[in-house]
Amino acid sequence: QKEVEQNSGPLSVPEGAIASLNCTYSDRGSQSFFWYRQYSGKSPELIMSIYSNGDKEDGRFTAQLNKASQYVSLLIRDSQPSDSATYLCAVWGSNYQLIWGAGTKLIIKP
Amino acid sequence: ETGVTQTPRHLVMGMTNKKSLKCEQHLGHNAMYWYKQSAKKPLELMFVYNFKEQTENNSVPSRFSPECPNSSHLFLHLHTLQPEDSALYLCASSQDSTSGRTDTQYFGPGTRLTVL
Repeated sequence: QKEVEQNSGPLSVPEGAIASLNCTYSDRGSQSFFWYRQYSGKSPELIMSIYSNGDKEDGRFTAQLNKASQYVSLLIRDSQPSDSATYLCAVWGSNYQLIWGAGTKLIIKP
Repeated sequence: ETGVTQTPRHLVMGMTNKKSLKCEQHLGHNAMYWYKQSAKKPLELMFVYNFKEQTENNSVPSRFSPECPNSSHLFLHLHTLQPEDSALYLCASSQDSTSGRTDTQYFGPGTRLTVL
């Protein structure tokens, strides 16, 4: 059973601090990794994708991938209350399907 | 909101009813998906259509029946559902489900289904 694991949270972070969200996956053949954000009552929206080991930066967001450790993370710098949402990690597995984590709820405290 | 629309947004039905969910994408994509999202659980892939052909059916009970008349429209026909089928049903689309690792899925707003 191919799995993606995330801490369900909630993760509470003060406004302006760095929020760190983590995800581990079991399928060593995975090639693509995605972070989606889902606001309460809304549908998931893609915020970052990463395919190679290392860091990928996009504005205040940085995705980090370590395939050897089967670990992918998302850092949000200068956290804002509008970042409060559930963050879903998704992994493109060797079975040609996206495998989803259950999500981490992030709360940014003003 | 996005290029993927879903109707209705909310649906309450009894276990003996028959209803249908509709999804339409305006992105020119060739793949469409149905997902089930239950509280605190990962998204569950139900069905995948690529170029109107069904390519995945993840052991979904027959009380859920998909239909894809063209690449822009997707339906989910519901009949004799159970209370445990209550969930958020999300439709998504992407360029091509077989194109591999860079294919990005875009979601509709979902249908909140309650089965009494």
